[in-house]
Amino acid sequence: DTGVSQDPRHKITKRGQNVTFRCDPISEHNRLYWYRQTLGQGPEFLTYFQNEAQLEKSRLLSDRFSAERPKGSFSTLEIQRTEQGDSAMYLCASSLTGGRSNEKLFFGSGTQLSVL
Amino acid sequence: GNSVTQMEGPVTLSEEAFLTINCTYTATGYPSLFWYVQYPGEGLQLLLKATKADDKGSNKGFEATYRKETTSFHLEKGSVQVSDSAVYFCALRRGAGGTSYGKLTFGQGTILTVHP
Repeated sequence: DTGVSQDPRHKITKRGQNVTFRCDPISEHNRLYWYRQTLGQGPEFLTYFQNEAQLEKSRLLSDRFSAERPKGSFSTLEIQRTEQGDSAMYLCASSLTGGRSNEKLFFGSGTQLSVL
Repeated sequence: GNSVTQMEGPVTLSEEAFLTINCTYTATGYPSLFWYVQYPGEGLQLLLKATKADDKGSNKGFEATYRKETTSFHLEKGSVQVSDSAVYFCALRRGAGGTSYGKLTFGQGTILTVHP
């Protein structure tokens, strides 16, 4: 178990630029989640995948946001035409379905995005 | 909709003091309840959970009891240590069924600082 890894740890960009984040889940985990966390708040659900299928998207995920998990392993989250309001910590989590173990999410350390 | 409210922080205690962090929730049906902890520079980790009314979750000396009558899930520890300094998040997951099994609703987090 090498844990959930996210890259990069920090990203600074100018308003209007596109950014892409990567998440590598724990290898045998078939579910992958993206959350967003702003300062002083708890994480908010954005979207989730089971294998390569994106099964749910939050209303928070505007048209500028797109997530993929092409081979059911790693995932990318892209934000187009970034806005200052996109500044946040973007968290990835993974889990394994089946029995009681699917209740436990394993979180990465996140990617901190700052939009100037 | 579902929501979680935590006591305002930050909380500052001396080592060996008693800790309570209040958490109340609003949800339809019978949610599962969780406490997550985030140590500095690390990802969120599941601390404990309870899946039905009157269940008590416990781990590392922390306890929380699922109280349906008061819609609460307060976190307690009898004697805190400096190493318990972290951010604590209360969270809920809606009742069993559906595809969003890992979709959690978090509270805003409570910063705990323990001094020697």
